[in-house]
Amino acid sequence: AQSVTQLDSQVPVFEEAPVELRCNYSSSVSVYLFWYVQYPNQGLQLLLKYLSGSTLVKGINGFEAEFNKSQTSFHLRKPSVHISDTAEYFCAVSDSPGSNYKLTFGKGTLLTVNP
Amino acid sequence: ETGVTQSPTHLIKTRGQQVTLRCSSQSGHNTVSWYQQALGQGPQFIFQYYREEENGRGNFPPRFSGLQFPNYSSELNVNALELDDSALYLCASSFWTGRVYNEQFFGPGTRLTVL
Repeated sequence: AQSVTQLDSQVPVFEEAPVELRCNYSSSVSVYLFWYVQYPNQGLQLLLKYLSGSTLVKGINGFEAEFNKSQTSFHLRKPSVHISDTAEYFCAVSDSPGSNYKLTFGKGTLLTVNP
Repeated sequence: ETGVTQSPTHLIKTRGQQVTLRCSSQSGHNTVSWYQQALGQGPQFIFQYYREEENGRGNFPPRFSGLQFPNYSSELNVNALELDDSALYLCASSFWTGRVYNEQFFGPGTRLTVL
């Protein structure tokens, strides 16, 4: 069975500071990785995904993540955060496209950006 | 283009009752997945429907059941409600060809409270 560990449940940062949200996953033969964001009282929105190819993936809102197979990690980064980035962030893994990317999520990291 | 919608927004039930949650997929999508998100947790996969057939199920008991209709709208039914069923229920739709990744779009969720 797959699993995802988000190492920090809460990350407070100041506006315009860089941020890294950490994600580790259990290994599988093939793995597909995702980061989603959830704003209060809303559903999940896809930030970025890794399916294959370049290990550095860029997403929306200035976020990027790096797939590291040897460390089974997929950390999310942003060089300069804004107040509007305050939200819950979820890392997710899927084992194969044949399963239509059924997702296993981590417990989430609450990013709070302070002025 | 209409996004994924869910109804109702909020629902309060008592233990032992039955509940039906509804999801309207994004136009053109043929696959719907349901997730349960308990407070402070990441979403957990319940099941997925593809072309009106169940296409995979997570670790949920049979009292969780679903339907997908020809217009690709969907229902999640939960019988014999338990207190632990209190959660945000999310549905996500996508167009799956069996080969190429297409993004899953999430609805805003239904908040179920079981008293």
